[in-house]
Amino acid sequence: AQSVTQLGSHVSVSEGALVLLRCNYSSSVPPYLFWYVQYPNQGLQLLLKYTTGATLVKGINGFEAEFKKSETSFHLTKPSAHMSDAAEYFCAVSERVAGNTPLVFGKGTRLSVIA
Amino acid sequence: DGGITQSPKYLFRKEGQNVTLSCEQNLNHDAMYWYRQDPGQGLRLIYYSQIVNDFQKGDIAEGYSVSREKKESFPLTVTSAQKNPTAFYLCASSPWGGQDTEAFFGQGTRLTVV
Repeated sequence: AQSVTQLGSHVSVSEGALVLLRCNYSSSVPPYLFWYVQYPNQGLQLLLKYTTGATLVKGINGFEAEFKKSETSFHLTKPSAHMSDAAEYFCAVSERVAGNTPLVFGKGTRLSVIA
Repeated sequence: DGGITQSPKYLFRKEGQNVTLSCEQNLNHDAMYWYRQDPGQGLRLIYYSQIVNDFQKGDIAEGYSVSREKKESFPLTVTSAQKNPTAFYLCASSPWGGQDTEAFFGQGTRLTVV
């Protein structure tokens, strides 16, 4: 069974500093990979995804993530944090099979941005 | 506007009652999902459906039931057998197969047992 590990349940950065949120997956075949963001009492919004091709993926709001097969990782970064980035972030995976398999989520990382 | 609508946004349930959470989508997606979210535990899959009149249990299906009579609707019933139902419930949908397998989420229903 697939699993996702997000290192750090809470990350705090200063405004303007680098944001790095870590995600590792366990799967014998590299899955589809996703990052979602959730603001309080709201649903999840897709930030970016990796399916195939270029391993550095750019998403919305200045975020990007790099798929590293050798490290089974898909870390999320943003060069300069903004106050509006404060939210919870979820890494998720989906198997590369025909049809649909449900997303498997990590436990989330809450990002705080300090002025 | 296309999207997923969950209702109600807040729901209160008395001990021993069944309650039904609504989820409707107009994205023409084949697959629909229910997740439960608890603080610090991420999202856990309750049930999912890949096609009308068919659904599969997820990791925490006990105490829940679903139906999929129409493509656009996937209601979740929280039964009295669910021992700890207080949580945030999220409904999602996705297209069938292919590369575009990301899920689109509703705004959630917060269920509280009183």
